[in-house]
Amino acid sequence: DAKTTQPNSMESNEEEPVHLPCNHSTISGTDYIHWYRQLPSQGPEYVIHGLTSNVNNRMASLAIAEDRKSSTLILHRATLRDAAVYYCILRGINEKLTFGTGTRLTIIP
Amino acid sequence: DAGVTQSPTHLIKTRGQQVTLRCSPKSGHDTVSWYQQALGQGPQFIFQYYEEEERQRGNFPDRFSGHQFPNYSSELNVNALLLGDSALYLCASRKRDYNEQFFGPGTRLTVL
Repeated sequence: DAKTTQPNSMESNEEEPVHLPCNHSTISGTDYIHWYRQLPSQGPEYVIHGLTSNVNNRMASLAIAEDRKSSTLILHRATLRDAAVYYCILRGINEKLTFGTGTRLTIIP
Repeated sequence: DAGVTQSPTHLIKTRGQQVTLRCSPKSGHDTVSWYQQALGQGPQFIFQYYEEEERQRGNFPDRFSGHQFPNYSSELNVNALLLGDSALYLCASRKRDYNEQFFGPGTRLTVL
């Protein structure tokens, strides 16, 4: 499985943008970049995914480097409810999700 | 739409016993995966079911087995429980060939 590297933890102030980085230098051409987050005492929740182009949805934006060896999840305006562990995962279609230890995001009021 | 549901919520067993956990996928989903999450760790993939067959398996011993029924619901069975099997067991469902996966709230298993 291709590996991802994320910082163990990050902090951000409430109502400010948050940029969560992920490195995946061994990504293959068929790997999608997925982001999931896990709030305390809940199962993981899908956030966003992309292949080559930047993606936007109601929750976040995903910026993918041109060489696809890194990506950044962008939360445009963090709220206290965004405090969670964020996982960056590479996955081929119909393949399993391989979770790492993720980035624990703390939002400061 | 109820989303992915799992039962029971919590379970306490003793070493050597057997346990069955149940999962109902989100409406319209046909693929079910099971994950084990130890405290402080990310979820680890156990196996995936599609069309009532195990399609992929993670690095788990044969004590872990599963089943998918014609209505797409699924069971996870663990035999000869060990203390190390204590974890949160998560079920996830999706439509085949779709990327987004939906997780249930999990079953917390404690082995004493």
